[in-house]
Amino acid sequence: QVQLKESGPGLVQPSQTLSLTCTVSGFSLTSYHVSWVRQPPGKGLEWMGVIWTGGSTAYNSLLKSRLSISRDISKSQVFLKMNSLQTEDTATYYCARDEGGYWGQGVMVTVSS
Amino acid sequence: DVVLTQTPPTLLATIGQSVSISCRSSQSLLHSNGNTYLNWLLQRTGQSPQPLIYLVSKLESGVPNRFSGSGSGTDFTLKISGVEAEDLGVYYCMQFTHYPPLTFGSGTKLEIK
Repeated sequence: QVQLKESGPGLVQPSQTLSLTCTVSGFSLTSYHVSWVRQPPGKGLEWMGVIWTGGSTAYNSLLKSRLSISRDISKSQVFLKMNSLQTEDTATYYCARDEGGYWGQGVMVTVSS
Repeated sequence: DVVLTQTPPTLLATIGQSVSISCRSSQSLLHSNGNTYLNWLLQRTGQSPQPLIYLVSKLESGVPNRFSGSGSGTDFTLKISGVEAEDLGVYYCMQFTHYPPLTFGSGTKLEIK
């Protein structure tokens, strides 16, 4: 069945770079696109960006200068890298297939020294 | 970017009561292909969002038929006909007619009396 699972560090220091991995199963990254969505504690959902089936990407304009999404098709993995982290980036980070048809469990990332 | 305004922010309901949530868009969500890409999600406490309704009114597999969606253009409604205890959580509308970016409403928290 379709599954997505995020992984990465739970704690990142301010100004450092966040690296997250979304490992998928049950579908191919060449057939379905994957988005990253984040949710600060107690707040709503924010779309971050998407990697399309052909490998091109699109980003939230507010994050574009700091964000990169890539993938490894052979490993069924999608990667998120975001630099210059600040405390406001503390959130649960989700990957999702298509436009939210399937979601990962999320990974909580805290930005703190 | 499309702004989705959800009301009310909080909804207090008794078991069996029917409730409605409104989602208003800053611009029409009718795509040039004739589809309206407005979905509804439910996020239970501590869980990932799960899809409820897609294309305004189509129920995702396994979603009880007490849930219904309606609307067109800029005004959309999610109705629960006979709230059950398992329905508590935060409901989000989301659009991807004008995508990227995918945008979410601010959420409506359903609480049970």
